[in-house]
Amino acid sequence: DTEVTQTPKHLVMGMTNKKSLKCEQHMGHRAMYWYKQKAKKPPELMFVYSYEKLSINESVPSRFSPECPNSSLLNLHLHALQPEDSALYLCASSLATGGQGVAEAFFGQGTRLTVV
Amino acid sequence: SQQGEEDPQALSIQEGENATMNCSYKTSINNLQWYRQNSGRGLVHLILIRSNEREKHSGRLRVTLDTSKKSSSLLITASRAADTASYFCATAAVDGTASKLTFGTGTRLQVTL
Repeated sequence: DTEVTQTPKHLVMGMTNKKSLKCEQHMGHRAMYWYKQKAKKPPELMFVYSYEKLSINESVPSRFSPECPNSSLLNLHLHALQPEDSALYLCASSLATGGQGVAEAFFGQGTRLTVV
Repeated sequence: SQQGEEDPQALSIQEGENATMNCSYKTSINNLQWYRQNSGRGLVHLILIRSNEREKHSGRLRVTLDTSKKSSSLLITASRAADTASYFCATAAVDGTASKLTFGTGTRLQVTL
């Protein structure tokens, strides 16, 4: 199974709502990532988890809160978002290479988030 | 901030022609990867080239890497309409104790019949 599953596929939320994005993989990958992608732009890294520990936070606002409850799951909790946070949120996973650089990353299909 | 800049930003060719995309980056890397994205959905890994490699082939894909110039190119030979997509280079590097993948600006490829 070389699949990364993201739910939901689409999400519309108000600025006062709290919601969560979910990502799941069963490839035994111990590195997991959240990316944000605006239209016609490249994916921008938000967070990196390595062995269930947060390794990289690319200065993401605290209204985005990641969580890695186990080696197969990655969540992104959303609270008090702004309309400019509307984007495609992509989850990815890869083998953890012990500091030798990221191996091939497998991406989910993304959650298209609209903040109203 | 983006690690890689790609050119051209957009490329339109006819089926059967070759497509070449270039990527330049700024800092040291462990490897460089190319990904494809259809219609703003998930990215699909195409090929990985390590920093000590100069050229790699996979089917109709040929990737080169010049670490002295901090640049890479992706060649798609005998293109097909199904190759229409956005293509991104991504540099893999170690940041502290973790590794991360940083994407270039991308090339939008249109292959027409």
